[in-house]
Amino acid sequence: DQQVKQNSPSLSVQEGRISILNCDYTNSMFDYFLWYKKYPAEGPTFLISISSIKDKNEDGRFTVFLNKSAKHLSLHIVPSQPGDSAVYFCAASAIGAQKLVFGQGTRLTINP
Amino acid sequence: EADIYQTPRYLVIGTGKKITLECSQTMGHDKMYWYQQDPGMELHLIHYSYGVNSTEKGDLSSESTVSRIRTEHFPLTLESARPSHTSQYLCASRNTGTNYGYTFGSGTRLTVV
Repeated sequence: DQQVKQNSPSLSVQEGRISILNCDYTNSMFDYFLWYKKYPAEGPTFLISISSIKDKNEDGRFTVFLNKSAKHLSLHIVPSQPGDSAVYFCAASAIGAQKLVFGQGTRLTINP
Repeated sequence: EADIYQTPRYLVIGTGKKITLECSQTMGHDKMYWYQQDPGMELHLIHYSYGVNSTEKGDLSSESTVSRIRTEHFPLTLESARPSHTSQYLCASRNTGTNYGYTFGSGTRLTVV
């Protein structure tokens, strides 16, 4: 039973345009959501997070939106840059669980 | 600059060998985790520890074992490696009270032949 799903295995975007990565979850107990970025042969690095009490969090070029009723969150990157090419993982944590549940990842490719 | 270190980065080993994947962090974090990831798949939690002498199995069953004798050290051991153990193993840590943001090591890519 996969609780966090990223249904797009890959996404290709032109440099300078907006990249939108999507994530759906099934567990209504999740109260904290994170996005990680992973380059090949490296560990994931924390990118941005959002608490369930908010519907938007912004950090520079990165914005995460949370729609609790739809159990959906998205990561917007604008403008997209070649260095953004990586695999992006959505992760979630339930209240008191202290463990992260990850999605399968979306490979983002930014084309020049 | 990474504050959590995993060695080796890459390991190719024969079936039946015993291996230990090392993970050390210099941040004084009390919570440490081992995740396993296959290409194109999600990260699966296989072990975690909330502090010294505390270890728990994760959501994905694994034949590996872990120990936590020191705060900074969380090694993972496979007594007898098999080809099905071929995967990437990622170690992470975080401190209690932080916003769930884990710090990950660079990972060990294990290939059992």
